[in-house]
Amino acid sequence: GENVEQHPSTLSVQEGDSAVIKCTYSDSASNYFPWYKQELGKRPQLIIDIRSNVGEKKDQRIAVTLNKTAKHFSLHITETQPEDSAVYFCAASRESGGYQKVTFGTGTKLQVIP
Amino acid sequence: DAGVIQSPRHEVTEMGQEVTLRCKPISGHDYLFWYRQTMMRGLELLIYFNNNVPIDDSGMPEDRFSAKMPNASFSTLKIQPSEPRDSAVYFCASSSLRQGRDGYTFGSGTRLTVV
Repeated sequence: GENVEQHPSTLSVQEGDSAVIKCTYSDSASNYFPWYKQELGKRPQLIIDIRSNVGEKKDQRIAVTLNKTAKHFSLHITETQPEDSAVYFCAASRESGGYQKVTFGTGTKLQVIP
Repeated sequence: DAGVIQSPRHEVTEMGQEVTLRCKPISGHDYLFWYRQTMMRGLELLIYFNNNVPIDDSGMPEDRFSAKMPNASFSTLKIQPSEPRDSAVYFCASSSLRQGRDGYTFGSGTRLTVV
């Protein structure tokens, strides 16, 4: 089955600096890669996603890059703010038997220091 | 839409008792997922349904866990008998491939404590 590894597990950055979270996946059939943000005590929420036919996607201060050959994808947050502090999960999704099967990474706890 | 609705938000129960968690997916979503989240194991997929039919229950930890989806707007996850190691946050999520995106919408979760 699919295996998604996420690094680092914790990340502290100064406000205004950039943060990068990296994930690797094992199943070359995976074709959809969403990222979720989970604030303390709240539900995970989709913040950005990328499909395998695209190499990069940007939405204001966040961007995601995908390298299909190397089977890794990354989340980039620029000009970090204290409200970016949360746990971020990457995921890899593929079709299996006609259904989408999603595997989550183990999460990265991001702390933005004011 | 009110989003994915889960109840209860918090549940404290004694070991050996039956626990039932409830979920109402977003109207029109044909996929429903049950996840368990703990510090040690992260987000674990327990089971998911498509059009009310269980598709993959390989993540259900043992026979004490069961899930049903009697109709498109309601699902339950039952633990009987409950054990302290079942303490976790249980999330329900729904999605619809027909909407052209595969991302999930999660409910607010049920924090289960078994003492």
